[in-house]
Amino acid sequence: NAGVTQTPKFRILKIGQSMTLQCTQDMNHNYMYWYRQDPGMGLKLIYYSVGAGITDKGEVPNGYNVSRSTTEDFPLRLELAAPSQTSVYFCASSYAGARNYGYTFGSGTRLTVV
Amino acid sequence: AQTVTQSQPEMSVQEAETVTLSCTYDTSESDYYLFWYKQPPSRQMILVIRQEAYKQQNATENRFSVNFQKAAKSFSLKISDSQLGDAAMYFCAYRSQGGSEKLVFGKGTKLTVNP
Repeated sequence: NAGVTQTPKFRILKIGQSMTLQCTQDMNHNYMYWYRQDPGMGLKLIYYSVGAGITDKGEVPNGYNVSRSTTEDFPLRLELAAPSQTSVYFCASSYAGARNYGYTFGSGTRLTVV
Repeated sequence: AQTVTQSQPEMSVQEAETVTLSCTYDTSESDYYLFWYKQPPSRQMILVIRQEAYKQQNATENRFSVNFQKAAKSFSLKISDSQLGDAAMYFCAYRSQGGSEKLVFGKGTKLTVNP
């Protein structure tokens, strides 16, 4: 099925390790987003991209990096993992000009930093 | 910056009854979009209903309807004939007309449906 694919679904990291969360969409959407979800806090925007080669910070970008070399892929990089980065991460995409349709979300990645 | 407030961290309803979830937002924009998302225990984010601010008519989707009060900046969700499968976290979200079209989310309301 078409949509947003996130990998991995679960991961445990040790403090100081690094990893990349993968996100791919096959709907030719211009816009892509990374959110984190903490209990009782809703979803907060980490980074977003309006097209290949263009990225920008969201509300909580510290400790993360992104790149967008293709329309399809928008990986999120965690450098020097910290316990504060324990969270559920969602990737989402949307088509520019279809603002009333909301986002298509991936199924999320549950990350635990110990 | 826009903010979204969901004042009810938890709600419960009896099966077949009606429940209303509250959402208020703060914005200086005149054109925008509002959404309700459902997140069941599977963690998947599911779009329930959407409302364009320029439309006065309240959106409805089967058992789900909204009460959109633009002047009061209020966007509540009504679930009629509640079913066990409606049990989930519900998030209210705001999206600007322009710019990068980011969604701003409320903190969510956990809905429990009692048999």
